[in-house]
Amino acid sequence: NAGVTQTPKFRVLKTGQSMTLLCAQDMNHEYMYWYRQDPGMGLRLIHYSVGEGTTAKGEVPDGYNVSRLKKQNFLLGLESAAPSQTSVYFCASSRGVRSTDTQYFGPGTRLTVL
Amino acid sequence: QQQVKQSPQSLIVQKGGISIINCAYENTAFDYFPWYQQFPGKGPALLIAIRPDVSEKKEGRFTISFNKSAKQFSLHIMDSQPGDSATYFCAAKGPGNKLTFGGGTRVLVKP
Repeated sequence: NAGVTQTPKFRVLKTGQSMTLLCAQDMNHEYMYWYRQDPGMGLRLIHYSVGEGTTAKGEVPDGYNVSRLKKQNFLLGLESAAPSQTSVYFCASSRGVRSTDTQYFGPGTRLTVL
Repeated sequence: QQQVKQSPQSLIVQKGGISIINCAYENTAFDYFPWYQQFPGKGPALLIAIRPDVSEKKEGRFTISFNKSAKQFSLHIMDSQPGDSATYFCAAKGPGNKLTFGGGTRVLVKP
């Protein structure tokens, strides 16, 4: 079991460019999440999905779009990157919606927007 | 405005010492309080968690103390080891299994 994997590990973009981050999980989890991590602010929820074909906004959704066409994959898109989106992005997944259902995190993608 | 406030931002402790990290929350809808450990270049991993109807939970050298009336909780790392050097995040869960994180504490254990 690879758990949660993220592609790519690093990326540098210029302002205005677009890109897609891929998250994949092999645990057959229903729930998937995208977070961003910034110094001193912990992790903040961008978007999440409660199942294949569904998406919902989190705490900081502006400037991002997501899609969950397959249960095992959750894509995060930046249509027009801005320097404020420089961050480390983490994907997570969980089996269900109960508070005791652990969220398992991927290794992260470090994105720099120049 | 962070719903979960964590302190200190960093701490240094000698090997064998006790590390203490404190968190406070406002939202009474939170019903589960996990702590995550993160090593450099890795994603956060669940360390220990507590429900609000329990005042203390211990797993090995890690203990959570929970004060529901004060809306505060803390992580104690006993007999700290160099391998415990990491960033620790407190978090709170509300409806829909969504996590709200504190700002993180970088712990350095000196040998």
